Amino acid sequence: GQQLNQSPQSMFIQEGEDVSMNCTSSSIFNTWLWYKQEPGEGPVLLIALYKAGELTSNGRLTAQFGITRKDSFLNISASIPSDVGIYFCAGQRGRGGNKLVFGAGTILRVKS
Amino acid sequence: GAVVSQHPSRVICKSGTSVKIECRSLDFQATTMFWYRQFPKQSLMLMATSNEGSKATYEQGVEKDKFLINHASLTLSTLTVTSAHPEDSSFYICSASPGTGGEKLFFGSGTQLSVL
Repeated sequence: GQQLNQSPQSMFIQEGEDVSMNCTSSSIFNTWLWYKQEPGEGPVLLIALYKAGELTSNGRLTAQFGITRKDSFLNISASIPSDVGIYFCAGQRGRGGNKLVFGAGTILRVKS
Repeated sequence: GAVVSQHPSRVICKSGTSVKIECRSLDFQATTMFWYRQFPKQSLMLMATSNEGSKATYEQGVEKDKFLINHASLTLSTLTVTSAHPEDSSFYICSASPGTGGEKLFFGSGTQLSVL
């Protein structure tokens, strides 16, 4: 199925550094979601974005819904070891329970 | 956030047997649930959309007779992998959204299926 273009594929950073990852698409989405997945677990919702230009924070995480509705980014400030995991962006075209299109994921490793 | 419970978390079975995976929305009703499959270090691939009281909608390339989906109530969907073979070994994850207009999808904790 179609996937979003998510980058980078992986990151290995020093504890305390800021992290940025993004997703782009050739088509418009009405909702962007960011998830974190740890090994052997299902994805956990981090941030949901509903409006073009929307900037939303959740603790040290900040995500934005691109103005063109074709992209989104996620920033993590002052990374800590427990930030380790795979981060997925997901786009949704419709409203109300429509299926998600996922990015390929960004593997984050943090060196303490 | 809303809670989606998935069971079992891990199952090992012999080739040729069938395996049933349950997905429950614990604190909300879900007319639609989704089933995903994930291979190691890869993204989630949608297999099918489970609709309460009607037939599931399968993605292209997913065998309906192989992956039977039943959504008998507003809080339960099941995925049965019939006559499982080693190539069916994978991580299966369900998700559900609370209420109408609920764009947020919450995921179960996944089921690791290993077929010997």
